[in-house]
Amino acid sequence: DIQMTQSPSSLSASVGDRVTISCRASQSISTYVNWYQQKPGKAPKLLIYVASTLQSGVPSRFSGSGSGTDFTLTISSLQPEDFATYYCQQSYGSLYTFGQGTKLEIK
Amino acid sequence: QVQLQESGPGLVKPSETLSLTCTVSGGSISNYYWSWIRQPPGKGLEWIGNIYYTGSTNYNPSLKSRVTISVDTSKNQFSLKVTSVTAADTAVYYCARRSNAYANDYWGQGTLVTVSS
Repeated sequence: DIQMTQSPSSLSASVGDRVTISCRASQSISTYVNWYQQKPGKAPKLLIYVASTLQSGVPSRFSGSGSGTDFTLTISSLQPEDFATYYCQQSYGSLYTFGQGTKLEIK
Repeated sequence: QVQLQESGPGLVKPSETLSLTCTVSGGSISNYYWSWIRQPPGKGLEWIGNIYYTGSTNYNPSLKSRVTISVDTSKNQFSLKVTSVTAADTAVYYCARRSNAYANDYWGQGTLVTVSS
């Protein structure tokens, strides 16, 4: 099974900050990584797919990069509505897995 | 706009079978993969499995012996069964569409299933 290790598990930041969340795969997965945002009591929302493609309607302050085993989600300038939990997901092959999540909190 | 809605009992007794259905509206179930994902209270997301509209399935190896996902194209629905449930199966269960870019782009609102006697 492919494991996805996210870091950090939690992060405190301020409005306007640039934030980076990392995800490492246990084996090479090309660019088959997706990023989701989840707010309390809500379903996850797709932000980025195949590592760097922005889902329709998602603000351009969100970006993704990486290939192989190391991937990054960047928020260029945090807005109040961005405080949430973020998950990476690998979709390489037929068995998918999520990272354990990164909770982004207000400093 | 594609919409998904989970339905099924919110309370299941230990050792019994959890059964949920996801109804897809605003689009056809054909030509896509469909997913079940769960989230225990206060914890992260766990992928349960995918089904193609033709009925081909893939399951999380940790759940494979207890999970069955099926599809009914005539009703635009797909379903989840988890047998021999324990308290560890208590979670919010989500159904979702897997896009042609291998991501879950549309999600249901989720339904909480509690395993308790």
